[in-house]
Amino acid sequence: AQSVTQLGSHVSVSEGALVLLRCNYSSSVPPYLFWYVQYPNQGLQLLLKYTSAATLVKGINGFEAEFKKSETSFHLTKPSAHMSDAAEYFCAVSDLRSGNTGKLIFGQGTTLQVKP
Amino acid sequence: DTGVSQNPRHKITKRGQNVTFRCDPISEHNRLYWYRQTLGQGPEFLTYFQNEAQLEKSRLLSDRFSAERPKGSFSTLEIQRTEQGDSAMYLCASSPDREETQYFGPGTRLLVL
Repeated sequence: AQSVTQLGSHVSVSEGALVLLRCNYSSSVPPYLFWYVQYPNQGLQLLLKYTSAATLVKGINGFEAEFKKSETSFHLTKPSAHMSDAAEYFCAVSDLRSGNTGKLIFGQGTTLQVKP
Repeated sequence: DTGVSQNPRHKITKRGQNVTFRCDPISEHNRLYWYRQTLGQGPEFLTYFQNEAQLEKSRLLSDRFSAERPKGSFSTLEIQRTEQGDSAMYLCASSPDREETQYFGPGTRLLVL
């Protein structure tokens, strides 16, 4: 079975500082991995995804993530935090590659707080 | 194309009442998913449709829950005899064939009093 663990339910950074949100996955097949962002009372917006092309994936709003198979990790980073980055971030793995329906298995989420 | 839409956005109901939510996927997306998200948690999968066929249901989907997707277009999720534990955000997502990305709607927030 596939699973995702997000380390740290809350992360606080100062505006302009590096953002690092951690995600580790478990999958018996090469995974599809995603980062989604959720603003209060809204749905989920795709930030970026890994589909086995480049291991360093660039997304929207200056975010990027690196797939590390040896560490089973897919951490999300942004060099310089902006106040508008404050939101809930979810890492997810898809079961599509297992020949299944493609449902997403999410981590519990990390709340990013950005201090002025 | 305006994306995935969900109605209503908010629903307050009394325990024991029935509620129905609607999801309109992006046109020509033949895959449709429902998820439930409780406060402070990540979304959890409920059910999946490929066109009009419901191909997977989570064990979270008790007998009080039913979902349909007539003609493979919009989908409805009905909860009968609501309980306080059903209070959550219900998210719908759609995806075209042969694509791994799911596109989410804004969700329906349900509060059961």
